[in-house]
Amino acid sequence: NAGVMQNPRHLVRRRGQEARLRCSPMKGHSHVYWYRQLPEEGLKFMVYLQKENIIDESGMPKERFSAEFPKEGPSILRIQQVVRGDSAAYFCASSHRTGLINEKLFFGSGTQLSVL
Amino acid sequence: SQELEQSPQSLIVQEGKNLTINCTSSKTLYGLYWYKQKYGEGLIFLMMLQKGGEEKSHEKITAKLDEKKQQSSLHITASQPSHAGIYLCGADKGTGGTSYGKLTFGQGTILTVHP
Repeated sequence: NAGVMQNPRHLVRRRGQEARLRCSPMKGHSHVYWYRQLPEEGLKFMVYLQKENIIDESGMPKERFSAEFPKEGPSILRIQQVVRGDSAAYFCASSHRTGLINEKLFFGSGTQLSVL
Repeated sequence: SQELEQSPQSLIVQEGKNLTINCTSSKTLYGLYWYKQKYGEGLIFLMMLQKGGEEKSHEKITAKLDEKKQQSSLHITASQPSHAGIYLCGADKGTGGTSYGKLTFGQGTILTVHP
């Protein structure tokens, strides 16, 4: 998973604040995925993005959460007005392309969000 | 939706012992991934299986996908403390041979290896 860079590694926010999580995919990868790992739950898909496009956001909560992957710069997962239930590890993954059977998904080290 | 069941949920073995982790799906698997996660860290890609009956090995770890493509196993030979961690199987939600990157994961198997 070397190469998918996430920052910060740890983020502490008070209830009502905004959280911004960043992800730089591996070099040459133009597909980014965000996953969330809640305590006592498994790893769940949130959103899939390509450059400047959201392809699938079926796993994203309808309110307060948004994601973008601009033409330049990292992908951003934004959580507005955080609540304690948002405390989790957020992982970003990237791949070179989809539509092929052999594509591997590489994960970053994650951002641990703690809401006080 | 596709559900993945991993067994056992946790496993404690003595160094040098062999072990097997299973991953069972309610639906046909079109792409089955195995990852290892260390506490507080990201996921390390281990192997990906696609074809029924496929088997792949890397160092002391072997993964298999059964002919019906509904069950996969991960086998570790002569385990070492460095093998300790959480093992996750993930299934690609793409169908018919396309890789979509949208994975459903099992709940994980916690492996402890005592020296």
